[in-house]
Amino acid sequence: ETGVTQTPRHLVMGMTNKKSLKCEQHLGHNAMYWYKQSAKKPLELMFVYSLEERVENNSVPSRFSPECPNSSHLFLHLHTLQPEDSALYLCASSQDRIRGLRSGANVLTFGAGSRLTVL
Amino acid sequence: RKEVEQDPGPFNVPEGATVAFNCTYSNSASQSFFWYRQDCRKEPKLLMSVYSSGNEDGRFTAQLNRASQYISLLIRDSKLSDSATYLCVVGGSNYQLIWGAGTKLIIKP
Repeated sequence: ETGVTQTPRHLVMGMTNKKSLKCEQHLGHNAMYWYKQSAKKPLELMFVYSLEERVENNSVPSRFSPECPNSSHLFLHLHTLQPEDSALYLCASSQDRIRGLRSGANVLTFGAGSRLTVL
Repeated sequence: RKEVEQDPGPFNVPEGATVAFNCTYSNSASQSFFWYRQDCRKEPKLLMSVYSSGNEDGRFTAQLNRASQYISLLIRDSKLSDSATYLCVVGGSNYQLIWGAGTKLIIKP
């Protein structure tokens, strides 16, 4: 496997369910991210992990819980979600944490995404 | 004002034509700029970085205008396979990347 892989690709869940999204990167990158993409809206950064340490949490509701057990794996645990949480959830990685400077470390490689529908 | 603004389109363009679209950004301290491409129901992929001096990659040319705070993307001799949504991304001074909502491009035969 190469690049960034996400599972499952599609997920339908009820508001009382608990599920998890999984992401694995095979690029040797040090930073991993969760983004949310809703229709016709910009990507929203949810969480950033750098060297397995959570360095950013963009005011995401506690019903989303990330976990980074090692530098290659990232999970997003979901519980008691709302219908408005239905979206495409994208995992990404980069060589190092984004610094806002013009460097190769700023390039993000995305997984194919997990399309979530909350009923 | 949104931090990064793009015309959502769609831009309907005949195959072989030249098309250009802009992206404006609000933070004058921004230091890095990118264009990503996202095909329908796929993930975003880096198309090109945008440098102060502008840069060209085959049929694609990106320009940065710091004075007016916008970046542009020009596609020459457009192909059917260029149909996609083009996402403008701006690196802020707070270590985050700010994404535009994208410009949808449809190339028609």
